[in-house]
Amino acid sequence: AQSVSQHNHHVILSEAASLELGCNYSYGGTVNLFWYVQYPGQHLQLLLKYFSGDPLVKGIKGFEAEFIKSKFSFNLRKPSVQWSDTAEYFCAVNGNFGNEKLTFGTGTRLTIIP
Amino acid sequence: EPEVTQTPSHQVTQMGQEVILRCVPISNHLYFYWYRQILGQKVEFLVSFYNNEISEKSEIFDDQFSVERPDGSNFTLKIRSTKLEDSAMYFCASSERWQETQYFGPGTRLLVL
Repeated sequence: AQSVSQHNHHVILSEAASLELGCNYSYGGTVNLFWYVQYPGQHLQLLLKYFSGDPLVKGIKGFEAEFIKSKFSFNLRKPSVQWSDTAEYFCAVNGNFGNEKLTFGTGTRLTIIP
Repeated sequence: EPEVTQTPSHQVTQMGQEVILRCVPISNHLYFYWYRQILGQKVEFLVSFYNNEISEKSEIFDDQFSVERPDGSNFTLKIRSTKLEDSAMYFCASSERWQETQYFGPGTRLLVL
């Protein structure tokens, strides 16, 4: 069965600090990888996704993520966070063939201090 | 930009009652999903639906749950006899094609008393 681990449950950073949120997955096949964000009171929005090709993917709002197949990881990064990045971040995976359901990690709550 | 919409935003019901949660997927999307998130837990897959059929369902999606696409725009989740443990945020999602990005609605917060 596929699973996703997000090791950081709550991260607190000051504005302009660099961010890296960890995501590791377990799946016995080719995967699609996603980061979703949920701002306070809002719904899940797609930040970025990896299907194939360049393992370094860029998303909205200056976020990027790198797929490292050998480490089963898809960590999310941003060089300089803003107060408006305060939100919950979810890593998710689905299988490339025959399995479209998304499996989510537990989420990481990011709090940015002005 | 097209969005998935869900109604109601909040629903309070008594245990044993039936509830219907409604979703309007993005108009040209063909694949539809329901997920739920119990407070403090991860988002969990319930069911996927394509071409008027369930294509996959999780262990959570037992006989108390059903889904329907009653017309060309709505996608509903029915819980026949709600239990306390059904209290959760229920998210609808849709995607245009197989294995494409799933876009989520704002959710319905269901509270079973």
